[in-house]
Amino acid sequence: GDSVTQMEGPVTLSEEAFLTINCTYTATGYPSLFWYVQYPGEGLQLLLKATKADDKGSNKGFEATYRKETTSFHLEKGSVQVSDSAVYFCALSREGDKIIFGKGTRLHILP
Amino acid sequence: GAGVSQTPSNKVTEKGKYVELRCDPISGHTALYWYRQSLGQGPEFLIYFQGTGAADDSGLPNDRFFAVRPEGSVSTLKIQRTERGDSAVYLCASSLSTGDGYTFGSGTRLTVV
Repeated sequence: GDSVTQMEGPVTLSEEAFLTINCTYTATGYPSLFWYVQYPGEGLQLLLKATKADDKGSNKGFEATYRKETTSFHLEKGSVQVSDSAVYFCALSREGDKIIFGKGTRLHILP
Repeated sequence: GAGVSQTPSNKVTEKGKYVELRCDPISGHTALYWYRQSLGQGPEFLIYFQGTGAADDSGLPNDRFFAVRPEGSVSTLKIQRTERGDSAVYLCASSLSTGDGYTFGSGTRLTVV
């Protein structure tokens, strides 16, 4: 069945460091890909999405590119801030179907 | 409403009791989803509705779990004979159509003691 695998956390970085959180997927067809974020004490929020190969989703300085050849959707940010500390979930959805989430990666940013 | 509303926000119940969790989606959203999130895990799919009908209930763990959406808006997740292993945060989400990103509610934290 469809699945999402993302790097295990926690990931700890200093402020202004470069961030990469790896995500790969297994799915039939051409799913839409998502990154969701869960800030401490808050609900899940959609961060960005991409619906077809080579699309780049971006929001709040974060980017991810849909790579069909490597079945990946890695999350990147050039300079992280303390306020980016949260849990990040990679997810996929096939047309007309539910979203399947990865296990999440906890990110800690140190001032 | 402006967002997805879930009530109650917290529920503590005794093992063996029945509970109902309510979800009020964004007005006009036809797709509604229930997920369960255990500590340190990603959301686990339970069931989704398109309108009034359950389009996919493959994630319901057993027949103690049931969900309804009689008028295509508010949904209720019902758990019979609760067990300690049912303790988790139950998340509801809605979207205009399947395949879009969802809008999640803040969840109901269920604790079975």
